[in-house]
Amino acid sequence: DTGVSQDPRHKITKRGQNVTFRCDPISEHNRLYWYRQTLGQGPEFLTYFQNEAQLEKSRLLSDRFSAERPKGSFSTLEIQRTEQGDSAMYLCASSGIAGGVGEQFFGPGTRLTVL
Amino acid sequence: AQSVTQLDSQVPVFEEAPVELRCNYSSSVSVYLFWYVQYPNQGLQLLLKYLSGSTLVKGINGFEAEFNKSQTSFHLRKPSVHISDTAEYFCAVSDLKAAGNKLTFGGGTRVLVKP
Repeated sequence: DTGVSQDPRHKITKRGQNVTFRCDPISEHNRLYWYRQTLGQGPEFLTYFQNEAQLEKSRLLSDRFSAERPKGSFSTLEIQRTEQGDSAMYLCASSGIAGGVGEQFFGPGTRLTVL
Repeated sequence: AQSVTQLDSQVPVFEEAPVELRCNYSSSVSVYLFWYVQYPNQGLQLLLKYLSGSTLVKGINGFEAEFNKSQTSFHLRKPSVHISDTAEYFCAVSDLKAAGNKLTFGGGTRVLVKP
């Protein structure tokens, strides 16, 4: 296993378009997290899944954002009607210790630029 | 709610000199504490973590951190830095009892090691 992967690595889109990002966690990990990192800031929590269930969503996740993890494996994050303020690095992480504190392993991120 | 403050946004340091990155947190509950490193165009990598026990924690690449509960601090240190330590460093906390163990990050400290 090569770790957490994210696709695409870079996405440039025009305002108003929809975009979808994919995250493939480490295969045996049951928890998957999405974070957003804007320039010069630390990552901010967006949402997390335990298996296929989305258990928590941040207030940062507006109605234009939706995340899924259909079979408890990979996850997608969709942003509808993108705005310039959505420009950021979107990070995915996974962890494997259910009910305990496990290290979160991060992917390389998807950098979104909204023109 | 939790918050993390990294007191220095940038730290220039000469090669082979020591470095200390300061981190203070605010939380009404007990927390786990982490330091992550982010190299350019890469995801976050865990340096070390404090869950319980000894307040002095040793991590990878010669880094260590000390948990001080009374001062709510978790400062990161390295006695002798290398050029390869040039990166951004993030302190993070996780609520001890919250499900999911989402991370709350500080704003980051950019370390520039000069020859």
